[in-house]
Amino acid sequence: DAGVIQSPRHEVTEMGQEVTLRCKPISGHNSLFWYRQTMMRGLELLIYFNNNVPIDDSGMPEDRFSAKMPNASFSTLKIQPSEPRDSAVYFCASSSQWGATYEQYFGPGTRLTVT
Amino acid sequence: DAKTTQPNSMESNEEEPVHLPCNHSTISGTDYIHWYRQLPSQGPEYVIHGLTSNVNNRMASLAIAEDRKSSTLILHRATLRDAAVYYCIRGRGGGSNYKLTFGKGTLLTVNP
Repeated sequence: DAGVIQSPRHEVTEMGQEVTLRCKPISGHNSLFWYRQTMMRGLELLIYFNNNVPIDDSGMPEDRFSAKMPNASFSTLKIQPSEPRDSAVYFCASSSQWGATYEQYFGPGTRLTVT
Repeated sequence: DAKTTQPNSMESNEEEPVHLPCNHSTISGTDYIHWYRQLPSQGPEYVIHGLTSNVNNRMASLAIAEDRKSSTLILHRATLRDAAVYYCIRGRGGGSNYKLTFGKGTLLTVNP
């Protein structure tokens, strides 16, 4: 299994530009998570999808952030317009619920730098 | 708040056992204890989880105190590849059981 695939691995953009991060979850997993990691705030859950439906988006920072999951094998996280404070590593994770717990498999992350 | 307390850092020697402690004194009956680790420049990696009984898998063992207020992750023979930040996470029960709240974790250094 290829694991969770994220693209791009690195993104450098200027303030005000639109940024789209992509994720392909592990085949057969029905849950998908987007996280953001910074030195100041650590690893934060942004949004959680189950069976392609957003269940919890309480961690999405503001309206500039949006996430979609059009099908079971693809998800995007979009930032429009981007700001320097959005600079972080963004991780996508997927999971197949097993009993009462979710063992989450993380991708390698996208390092976003907004100048 | 699903808070746990871990030491900021620990050090070990290669091929020796490592015991990583975690306190979760406010844990409720349905909360699981999860351990993830994050190697440098990688995404977090699942290690192990448990509810009440001690658990073993190919990566590690999890020892849970009888009152469930603390737990210990045990790496039986540390290797250089085990150098990482280890996160102990109290997984909320019920409808929020998907939610993992990562703290600062313990930075494990393994000396050759």
